[in-house]
Amino acid sequence: AAGVIQSPRHLIKEKRETATLKCYPIPRHDTVYWYQQGPGQDPQFLISFYEKMQSDKGSIPDRFSAQQFSDYHSELNMSSLELGDSALYFCASSLTAGGADRTQYFGPGTRLTVL
Amino acid sequence: GESVGLHLPTLSVQEGDNSIINCAYSNSASDYFIWYKQESGKGPQFIIDIRSNMDKRQGQRVTVLLNKTVKHLSLQIAATQPGDSAVYFCAETPPGSARQLTFGSGTQLTVLP
Repeated sequence: AAGVIQSPRHLIKEKRETATLKCYPIPRHDTVYWYQQGPGQDPQFLISFYEKMQSDKGSIPDRFSAQQFSDYHSELNMSSLELGDSALYFCASSLTAGGADRTQYFGPGTRLTVL
Repeated sequence: GESVGLHLPTLSVQEGDNSIINCAYSNSASDYFIWYKQESGKGPQFIIDIRSNMDKRQGQRVTVLLNKTVKHLSLQIAATQPGDSAVYFCAETPPGSARQLTFGSGTQLTVLP
């Protein structure tokens, strides 16, 4: 079965640089979520999109922005990177329409290292 | 603030034994709970979920129990195998939220030969 695809899998950036992470949800899924997981920590919700509109916002820094495109893929844009942004970034998708299934399926993650 | 958390950070079991991983939640209005398994360097993998109108749900080798009275969630893994070694997270969907998950602190399960 098709899964959530994330790219790149690994990314190394310098402080104050920018980064763009991409997420391709499971086909026919209409909702995308972004989570950040620091070393030894649980995933923290950043932001979500339903049908290309922002649906929920968590602890996402103002330096970060995201959007969902017409093909339902999503991009997380991160600017003025800081050392503390080094983490695993996960994208998850779900099928929200109909309301029956609320399961979020996670991608393999992008490991961002800020030097 | 309200949160979801696990009682123990680590759990070691013998191969073939049953495992029980516990989770306490504080938001009594939460209506949806999920268990995820995360192997090192990988994304969380869905194991099983349960809605608040249920007390028990079974999957393949796994059972989730929900006790709303004491706000407790548990994951039981039968005949634990080496491949079950991972970090297990419980997560909840807070009420009023579109779908965002609030994760608890993970439990590292180690299966001993």
